[in-house]
Amino acid sequence: GESVGLHLPTLSVQEGDNSIINCAYSNSASDYFIWYKQESGKGPQFIIDIRSNMDKRQGQRVTVLLNKTVKHLSLQIAATQPGDSAVYFCAEPPAGGTSYGKLTFGQGTILTVHP
Amino acid sequence: KAGVTQTPRYLIKTRGQQVTLSCSPISGHRSVSWYQQTPGQGLQFLFEYFSETQRNKGNFPGRFSGRQFSNSRSEMNVSTLELGDSALYLCASSLAQGELTGYTFGSGTRLTVV
Repeated sequence: GESVGLHLPTLSVQEGDNSIINCAYSNSASDYFIWYKQESGKGPQFIIDIRSNMDKRQGQRVTVLLNKTVKHLSLQIAATQPGDSAVYFCAEPPAGGTSYGKLTFGQGTILTVHP
Repeated sequence: KAGVTQTPRYLIKTRGQQVTLSCSPISGHRSVSWYQQTPGQGLQFLFEYFSETQRNKGNFPGRFSGRQFSNSRSEMNVSTLELGDSALYLCASSLAQGELTGYTFGSGTRLTVV
């Protein structure tokens, strides 16, 4: 039969703009989230993480916001650069911390930055 | 320091054959996890090894197996290959079981089944 691929959300921005990538989760007990960046031909690379006792965490040019009420997190990239072009994934381990090596990944968002 | 090394980078196999993929973790890392990445299913967890023991397993058929050696290097094996097994297989290593700080992925092995 015909194979159906995931239809990844796409975000196209101009260099220098701010980018916002969204992710929804379903388990209200989820307590830890990670954002990864995957460039073509490479494995996922850690960007930033956040625990459920926080609403916001900032890194270098990146900010993650967590809204536990609506089970949503977002990754904000400031002053987006062409090198930020990649697929971005949110990921979480099972709630409770007993199987942290078993990550569940979101479907991913393709970010394209135009010079 | 060297990252996670996966070999080979690319592999073409025929349906029905078996394949073994290798993952060398970052020096000092003792936990290795494997993931399958396909356009249809995205990134899916296969299994996690720590101290030569499988600690977690994803929802994959028994044709998918793995092992870990005393030096923490890990191999995964897929027997009786199917076309649907074509994927990028990624491994990630970390210092200890369930330790996500420093959880680092390799670049993967691209398996094509024809």
